[in-house]
Amino acid sequence: GQQVMQIPQYQHVQEGEDFTTYCNSSTTLSNIQWYKQRPGGHPVFLIQLVKSGEVKKQKRLTFQFGEAKKNSSLHITATQTTDVGTYFCAQDWLGGTSYGKLTFGQGTILTVHP
Amino acid sequence: NAGVTQTPKFRVLKTGQSMTLLCAQDMNHEYMYWYRQDPGMGLRLIHYSVGEGTTAKGEVPDGYNVSRLKKQNFLLGLESAAPSQTSVYFCASSYRASEQFFGPGTRLTVL
Repeated sequence: GQQVMQIPQYQHVQEGEDFTTYCNSSTTLSNIQWYKQRPGGHPVFLIQLVKSGEVKKQKRLTFQFGEAKKNSSLHITATQTTDVGTYFCAQDWLGGTSYGKLTFGQGTILTVHP
Repeated sequence: NAGVTQTPKFRVLKTGQSMTLLCAQDMNHEYMYWYRQDPGMGLRLIHYSVGEGTTAKGEVPDGYNVSRLKKQNFLLGLESAAPSQTSVYFCASSYRASEQFFGPGTRLTVL
């Protein structure tokens, strides 16, 4: 089946350090979405990227979509303890009409040490 | 607005028992989804619905059935629970192919 490879699986940082998670696909993506899930919580939508080379920022978070639309990254500058959680990328289901169906990456679990 | 709600929040079943998980949304979304989340495997789509009265299979549909009799509700059924179905189940809804809004989840343990 389709796979979205997300790395790293775990990342431990000291508060104030930067953090990056990467999402790679073997196929060209129509768009990619990013979600955050706090420990014990549910996934919450962060952003959707659609255009080749697109870069979007949300305060300390920077999202990029690769020029070939096969990879994406989420970068957090100067992490805070509130950034703790699992970050997922998700791509549209391939093979026919997606109907909004998503294939999720395995997620990157971020821990921040104060 | 409550968004997406799920009932129950926790449940313990014995192998072979049946149960129904209820998902409700008040955002008038056409699309609804059921996922399961297991450690290290992200979220996997079980079934989905693109409108009232319609359902379709996702990535891991075996052992589950769904119904969408009303636009705001999406039910997930387990007819004969197995230990392999121990998981956290999330329901989500969306307006067309856009951001998905997730419910708080149901933690199911099958003994």
